[in-house]
Amino acid sequence: EAQVTQNPRYLITVTGKKLTVTCSQNMNHEYMSWYRQDPGLGLRQIYYSMNVEVTDKGDVPEGYKVSRKEKRNFPLILESPSPNQTSLYFCASSLSSAQGTSGELFFGEGSRLTVL
Amino acid sequence: GQQLNQSPQSMFIQEGEDVSMNCTSSSIFNTWLWYKQDPGEGPVLLIALYKAGELTSNGRLTAQFGITRKDSFLNISASIPSDVGIYFCAGQDQGAQKLVFGQGTRLTINP
Repeated sequence: EAQVTQNPRYLITVTGKKLTVTCSQNMNHEYMSWYRQDPGLGLRQIYYSMNVEVTDKGDVPEGYKVSRKEKRNFPLILESPSPNQTSLYFCASSLSSAQGTSGELFFGEGSRLTVL
Repeated sequence: GQQLNQSPQSMFIQEGEDVSMNCTSSSIFNTWLWYKQDPGEGPVLLIALYKAGELTSNGRLTAQFGITRKDSFLNISASIPSDVGIYFCAGQDQGAQKLVFGQGTRLTINP
């Protein structure tokens, strides 16, 4: 089954304790991206990756890191989480096009993070 | 960054009613897409529009790519309980390596 898998689905942590949210896709997609969803703000892009070893900042990259060592995996790293990073996070993937993403994103089920 | 204004932010309707929502932008997009998010899940693509003026249907859903390329509309006919969720519009301009999403429209249906 084609899917994007995120872990953990739920996490409560404390300020400053480093954490990683993993993301894996089995569709051989070149393009992967992380979004955060906050009430009234929709989905905002954090980072994206056009292919292995190619990553770039989205609209809200502060406080986050990513890596793309393998095509299928795109982990999101919070080196020193703060309460304003409490949010619902989504990983997504797609085929690439001349513009980057084909636009037809496949999303994971989401990871709800609470930073105390 | 670019912003999309999606309206309404929420809708409360009776089962069987038709629904209309729209999305506007201050800049031009080459592609418009509509996604739906069921409670507790990630968004899923409903309809993709690639040409100004294009009108596309997917079952009871119909979406249009505005002639000015700055807006898009989604209509749902004869709503049913499983239509409940959050609907997002998204736009992509030529050369952009990302989608810009609207704030979402939360649809609630009274049986």
